[in-house]
Amino acid sequence: NAGVTQTPKFQVLKTGQSMTLQCAQDMNHEYMSWYRQDPGMGLRLIHYSVGAGITDQGEVPNGYNVSRSTTEDFPLRLLSAAPSQTSVYFCASSYSMTSVFGEQFFGPGTRLTVL
Amino acid sequence: GIQVEQSPPDLILQEGANSTLRCNFSDSVNNLQWFHQNPWGQLINLFYIPSGTKQNGRLSATTVATERYSLLYISSSQTTDSGVYFCAVEDSGGGADGLTFGKGTHLIIQP
Repeated sequence: NAGVTQTPKFQVLKTGQSMTLQCAQDMNHEYMSWYRQDPGMGLRLIHYSVGAGITDQGEVPNGYNVSRSTTEDFPLRLLSAAPSQTSVYFCASSYSMTSVFGEQFFGPGTRLTVL
Repeated sequence: GIQVEQSPPDLILQEGANSTLRCNFSDSVNNLQWFHQNPWGQLINLFYIPSGTKQNGRLSATTVATERYSLLYISSSQTTDSGVYFCAVEDSGGGADGLTFGKGTHLIIQP
């Protein structure tokens, strides 16, 4: 049981490049989320999904796209990278009878630098 | 939106000491979680505790929802307890912002 996995661990992009951050979970959780963490701050929600085929925007969605074709996978796409997207990105999954954002299980993170 | 304040922002203790971390929030919540981010960046869920008291080994947490605060207790600290402790809440009104995180308490346990 690997839990939540993310690839890559580190990535450097040039302004304007696109890329996809991968996230997978093997716990059969319905809910998955993407967060970003900037220095000295807590996490902020980018996008989330309540199940395969269903996604919605969080607090800071601009510049990012998501899709959820399977329960296991929830990739995050940067369409045209900007220096403001330099951050650490965390994927999380959860299960709950009462909230999409119930007990969260986080992946190890992807550290992204945009030059 | 809901505001989350954590105190103290920094704490340095000797191994074996006890500590209390506080999380205040500005509105009613239906979801409160404590996380530990270790020095390697990994986030570990410590407690899901929208109300009441829970214990897990040397750690325990209490949330008094009516007074809008939560406390995390760490007893007999070990160097592996070092890192940043985050409190995160979801307000009762729901909405798309998900969990709102505090800025964290940075804990250093010295041997």
